[in-house]
Amino acid sequence: GQQVMQIPQYQHVQEGEDFTTYCNSSTTLSNIQWYKQRPGGHPVFLIQLVKSGEVKKQKRLTFQFGEAKKNSSLHITATQTTDVGTYFCAGLSWGKLQFGAGTQVVVTP
Amino acid sequence: NAGVTQTPKFRILKIGQSMTLQCTQDMNHNYMYWYRQDPGMGLKLIYYSVGAGITDKGEVPNGYNVSRSTTEDFPLRLELAAPSQTSVYFCASRLQGVDEKLFFGSGTQLSVL
Repeated sequence: GQQVMQIPQYQHVQEGEDFTTYCNSSTTLSNIQWYKQRPGGHPVFLIQLVKSGEVKKQKRLTFQFGEAKKNSSLHITATQTTDVGTYFCAGLSWGKLQFGAGTQVVVTP
Repeated sequence: NAGVTQTPKFRILKIGQSMTLQCTQDMNHNYMYWYRQDPGMGLKLIYYSVGAGITDKGEVPNGYNVSRSTTEDFPLRLELAAPSQTSVYFCASRLQGVDEKLFFGSGTQLSVL
């Protein structure tokens, strides 16, 4: 069945640094979504990518969908303490949304 | 709009007990989902529904049952609770269409002892 893998599982970042988290699917996706979950909270939708090669930006966050629609990345520049949390990608294929295991981000001031 | 509302927020069960986790949404969403999240892990789909009267199994349905008699409500039933069902349970909903983002409830933290 469909599998969605995320790397890295953990990311320790110094405040002000950049980092990237990656998402890979075993199948071609209709779209990919990204969610953020703060510690003790629930996942909150960040963005959806639909088109092959699509790039979207939200302030310091840049999201990219691969040309083959099987992978995606989230790049955060100038990390802030407010970026702490777990970032999940979720791939939609054949009507089912499959979540990756997430990248837990810890920011050191 | 309240969005997606889950009750209770916390619950402790003894092995073998049963309970129902409630989920209701007021956004007229046709799709509803139940996920479980184990510590440090991602979200595993338990059951989902594409509309009233229609439900289907997800990745980890064993030990759970659902029903969808109305558009608004999607309760999750645990029969004969086991320690392996200790987890945080999230209900989510979405509207089928161009923007297919999920709206999540605040979760139910369940411990089975």
